[in-house]
This record gives sequence, structure tokens and C-alpha cells, in this order.
Amino acid sequence: AQSVSQHNHHVILSEAASLELGCNYSYGGTVNLFWYVQYPGQHLQLLLKYFSGDPLVKGIKGFEAEFIKSKFSFNLRKPSVQWSDTAEYFCAVNAASSYKLIFGSGTRLLVRP
Amino acid sequence: KAGVTQTPRYLIKTRGQQVTLSCSPISGHRSVSWYQQTPGQGLQFLFEYFSETQRNKGNFPGRFSGRQFSNSRSEMNVSTLELGDSALYLCASREASGSDTQYFGPGTRLTVL
Repeated sequence: AQSVSQHNHHVILSEAASLELGCNYSYGGTVNLFWYVQYPGQHLQLLLKYFSGDPLVKGIKGFEAEFIKSKFSFNLRKPSVQWSDTAEYFCAVNAASSYKLIFGSGTRLLVRP
Repeated sequence: KAGVTQTPRYLIKTRGQQVTLSCSPISGHRSVSWYQQTPGQGLQFLFEYFSETQRNKGNFPGRFSGRQFSNSRSEMNVSTLELGDSALYLCASREASGSDTQYFGPGTRLTVL
């Protein structure tokens, strides 16, 4: 069965610090990969996605993620976080043949001003 | 385009009752998926509908059901409510014409007393 692991459940950073959130998945076939963000009181929003091609994908608000197939990883990065990045971040995967998203448990990010 | 809309936004029910939640997808989107979000289990896939047909189903009991109408709007129903059904129920829509990206609505917060 597919599964997604997010290694950090809670992350606290100061503004301007760099961010990297880990995401690993288990599935042997072709996958589509996503990062969603849930700001306080708001609904899930798509940050970025990877379907194929360049494994380094750029999303909104300066976020990027790198797909490393050999490591089954899709880590999220941002060079310099802002207070407004405080939110919960979810990594999600679906098999290319299915539209069922499997989510990680989420990482709560708190950015201190 | 307007986003995914869900009604009602909040519901309070008692054990044993049934509930129906509604989802209107983004205009032009033909696929609707439902997810349950709880603090303990995270985000879990319930089912997906496309062209009024259920195409995929998660590991939930038969008390959870859904349907899709010809205008792509979808409803999900939970019968014989249990305390553990308290959750945020999210609807996501997808264009289903090559794009695998799901866009989420704000959710319906169901509380079972």
C-alpha cells in the first residue's frame, strides 16, 4: 500500500531562516507528487506539484521542491521564510493511474518574527 | 473562476442521525473527491466521482456514501453517525482532462454529540 511520511511534525524557525521539510513515499510505480499548505483558518491550497520532467519544481511564494526518484523523496524548500509562512504543510502522492491522494501527516511550521 | 464550495460549513448532529454534505466543483471540473480530516488520522480519502460514477473508494464503512449529479455537483451522506465521525470533510475537484491537480474546498466541520 502507498504511504507518505513527513519526518518533522513541528518546526519552529525565525524569519529569514531557510526551510526544508522532508517527505518520503512508498510506491513502486509512477507517481504524481504535491505539496499543499493550510494557513490558519483557510482551506488547503496547492503550493506546487510534480508530474514529470525537471525534478526541481518551483511553486508559489518562493517555495520549491526536488523529486529524487532513487530516494523516493520530494522535499520542500524555501531559502528565507517569512512570518506569513506559518501554516501546516502536507505532502501528497497519487499513483499516476489513480486520483486518490495519499497524504502525509503534515508539518506545522511556526515562523517567529 | 469561483473555487470549490461546500455547504454547510458547520454541522452539529447527534449519534444515530444521518447527514448530507454538498460540494459544488470549480466550473468545468468533472471529477469530485471527498476526504476526511481528523487530528488523529490526518487526511484520508473517502471516494471519487466522475461522470456520476464512483471510480475509487477508500477504506471507510458502508455508512459513508456519495453521489454525483449531471452538473458535477456531489453529495456525501453519512448514516447512523458515530462520535468518531466528527471531522472536517473536504471536497476536491479536478478537471479530469489530463490535469491531475485537485483543488480543495473550505470543508464542512461536522461535530457529532
